[in-house]
Amino acid sequence: QVQLQESGPGLVKPSETLSLTCAVSGYSISSGYYWGWIRQPPGKGLEWIGSIYHSGNTYYNPSLKSRVTISVDTSKNQFSLKLSSVTAADTAVYYCARWAQLVGSNYFDYWGQGTLVTVSS
Amino acid sequence: EIVMTQSPATLSVSPGERATLSCRASQSVSSNLAWYQQKPGQAPRLLIYGASTRATGIPARFSGSGSGTEFTLTISSLQSEDFAVYYCQQYNNWPSLTFGGGTKVEIK
Repeated sequence: QVQLQESGPGLVKPSETLSLTCAVSGYSISSGYYWGWIRQPPGKGLEWIGSIYHSGNTYYNPSLKSRVTISVDTSKNQFSLKLSSVTAADTAVYYCARWAQLVGSNYFDYWGQGTLVTVSS
Repeated sequence: EIVMTQSPATLSVSPGERATLSCRASQSVSSNLAWYQQKPGQAPRLLIYGASTRATGIPARFSGSGSGTEFTLTISSLQSEDFAVYYCQQYNNWPSLTFGGGTKVEIK
């Protein structure tokens, strides 16, 4: 059973960098699939942040691209998110998820439980 | 960027009744559309992909239809566990992905 688990600080100060890690179990990141970050401000909808392939190829939401870095560590079977220069608007539940990019099968099939990150001084 | 618009924002339905949720894309996404269900405090769960293919383990009362810019998710007979928020998501612009704003299905 594939499982994803987000971890990182729950409180970040404005203008600082938000850092989260997603540990994957039950599947080797090196075996394929894409791995993504999605966020959800309190009471609002879902926003795709970006995705990474095990090779390290990254893809970012254009609206966040200047502040986002996603990286992968295949030795630890995990991938990470960094979002710089955060403001209160970045307060959200952050999810990591696996993206299937297969012929005829494209979707986020496994998700972490999400972690709330609050931006406040 | 492809904008996904869902309607209505809230749908009030009695248990056992049919629910029809709409999703519109700002430009054609072919059949590259997925639907997710999210319950309070939980991560989204995949329901439908390819506009009409049910994911593994999803009951037959959930069905998806449409292509191009207009899509529908139908729940044929609402069960208590179906009251949740539903999101559509396009992946025609892969690797850029966008979600709709969601439709909350509540008990009437």
